[in-house]
Order: sequence, then structure tokens, then C-alpha cells
Amino acid sequence: DTAVSQTPKYLVTQMGNDKSIKCEQNLGHDTMYWYKQDSKKFLKIMFSYNNKELIINETVPNRFSPKSPDKAHLNLHINSLELGDSAVYFCASSQGRWAFFGQGTRLTVV
Amino acid sequence: GQQVMQIPQYQHVQEGEDFTTYCNSSTTLSNIQWYKQRPGGHPVFLIQLVKSGEVKKQKRLTFQFGEAKKNSSLHITATQTTDVGTYFCAGSSSNTGKLIFGQGTTLQVKP
Repeated sequence: DTAVSQTPKYLVTQMGNDKSIKCEQNLGHDTMYWYKQDSKKFLKIMFSYNNKELIINETVPNRFSPKSPDKAHLNLHINSLELGDSAVYFCASSQGRWAFFGQGTRLTVV
Repeated sequence: GQQVMQIPQYQHVQEGEDFTTYCNSSTTLSNIQWYKQRPGGHPVFLIQLVKSGEVKKQKRLTFQFGEAKKNSSLHITATQTTDVGTYFCAGSSSNTGKLIFGQGTTLQVKP
């Protein structure tokens, strides 16, 4: 069983569209994250939720809206996609120690 | 805000040579973690260091945490082609609990 699973793995879409990425963890962790990895491999934290509550919200355009229906799920919805949103988005979870990452979603905006 | 700098950004070595990547934080860290990301893969946790001056080894990998808990290093002895990937340090401070990643060092190993 995959500990942290993200869907879809690849996403190609046109500018201006709205898309969602889903993430689920079966580790029983309280904390979940979204990271964005750009073409230079820089991993930048976007959001962090602890037990369904938003605890970290970095300087991210408000076109990005995370939602955590329960502590095992953290979804990311993106409105009005732009070319600069093209990146790999990683979901991760932790229980106060190290982070377990999902396989990543490669988003390409054309 | 808190920053974690990592150098070098890229390193090409011949198989059998040693490799070191360095990590520096602008603030004192409560712990430092190291991750490895294979090409096309996702970051995978390697190790966590918590104590000032701590040194840990995993086979050919040696991890150090500085006395001031603001810097760390990862040294690989006698690199192999399986060591190829990007190595990230990640630090968290007790103030924020936020895990901040360095820029990563991408290692290429020529057979």
C-alpha cells in the first residue's frame, strides 16, 4: 500500500482552466503539506494542515486553495491556471518528525 | 524569514570519488533532516540529526550537525552510480515548526 498517494500523476491543461490535485495518506499522520518543485528542483512549501486546520500558508496566490475534508486527505484546487504554475506538486505528511512524500503531480500549463 | 542554503547546486564526480554537500541555516535549528530524490522520483527521508555536534553514519554516507545547530553536511565515500540524485537538507526551527528545504545538490556519477 502506498503511504502517501496523489492523483493524477500527470496533468496537462490550458491556461485559464481550473484543476484539482488529490492527496491521501494512510499513515495516520496529523500533518499534511503541499510543496511546489520548480524546474530547478527547488522545493517550496505552500501549505500545511494539522488535523484539518490550516497552520502554514506561505505567500501563494489566492488562486491556490487547499481543502482538508479529514486529516487523511489534503486536496489542492487551482483556479485560472497560468504558465508559471507549471511544476511538480508534492503532497507530504508527517507526525512531528520527518516527512513522507507522495509521488508528485507534474502539472504542465500550455 | 528562515532560510536554508545548500551548496554546491551541482556536482559531477567519477565513480569512486568522494562527495560532500553543505547546508547552512540563517537561524538555529531544532533538527536537520536529509532527503534523497532520484531522477523522476520523490524526496525520500534519509536521516534526522537533533543534537549539537551529532555525527551519524549510514554505510558510505556520513551526516554531521554543527555545534551551533546552524549547519550540516552529508559526505559520501567512494560514490557509486546508485548515488545519483538530488540531496536535500531540510531544517525546522522550534519557533515555527516549519520544515524548510535547501535548494538541493544534484549529484552525477560517471561510471
